[in-house]
Amino acid sequence: DQQVKQNSPSLSVQEGRISILNCDYTNSMFDYFLWYKKYPAEGPTFLISISSIKDKNEDGRFTVFLNKSAKHLSLHIVPSQPGDSAVYFCAASEYGNKLVFGAGTILRVKS
Amino acid sequence: SAVISQKPSRDICQRGTSLTIQCQVDSQVTMMFWYRQQPGQSLTLIATANQGSEATYESGFVIDKFPISRPNLTFSTLTVSNMSPEDSSIYLCSVDRTGIGNEQFFGPGTRLTVL
Repeated sequence: DQQVKQNSPSLSVQEGRISILNCDYTNSMFDYFLWYKKYPAEGPTFLISISSIKDKNEDGRFTVFLNKSAKHLSLHIVPSQPGDSAVYFCAASEYGNKLVFGAGTILRVKS
Repeated sequence: SAVISQKPSRDICQRGTSLTIQCQVDSQVTMMFWYRQQPGQSLTLIATANQGSEATYESGFVIDKFPISRPNLTFSTLTVSNMSPEDSSIYLCSVDRTGIGNEQFFGPGTRLTVL
């Protein structure tokens, strides 16, 4: 049973435009959500997170939105840069317990 | 963040053999985790390794297949035992410095190929 789903395996965006990566979850007990970025041959790096008590968190070009009623979160990257090309993983946890990861979305930013 | 190193970075092994992967952190951490990422799939937690106690394994993973050591607060090993081609994966260790298991920092991973 996949508790965290990233339904888009890949996304291609033009440099300078907005990238929107989506994530859905099924466990209503999840209270913390994270986005990780992964380059080939490297481990995932933490990007941004959001607590369930918020609906938005912003850090520079990266913004995460949380819609608890829809059990949906999204990561917005604006403006997108070629260096943003990577695999993006959504993850969620329940009361500090283990992280549950989505399958990842490959983002390709074209210059 | 934390600086995490893993050894080896990659290896090619024969069926039936075992490989021990090392994870070293640049500072003391309470919680260390071991994950597996099979080709084209997401990260799956194998076990949580806490210093001074037995590792806690997730459903589908057993100590006989994936024995873990955690001798101190900066180091852990994961052994993949009696390997088969299905064990070909990237194995990653991660640490949580917040103490509440939320934000984890990952090592670079060990790419294992079993022939």
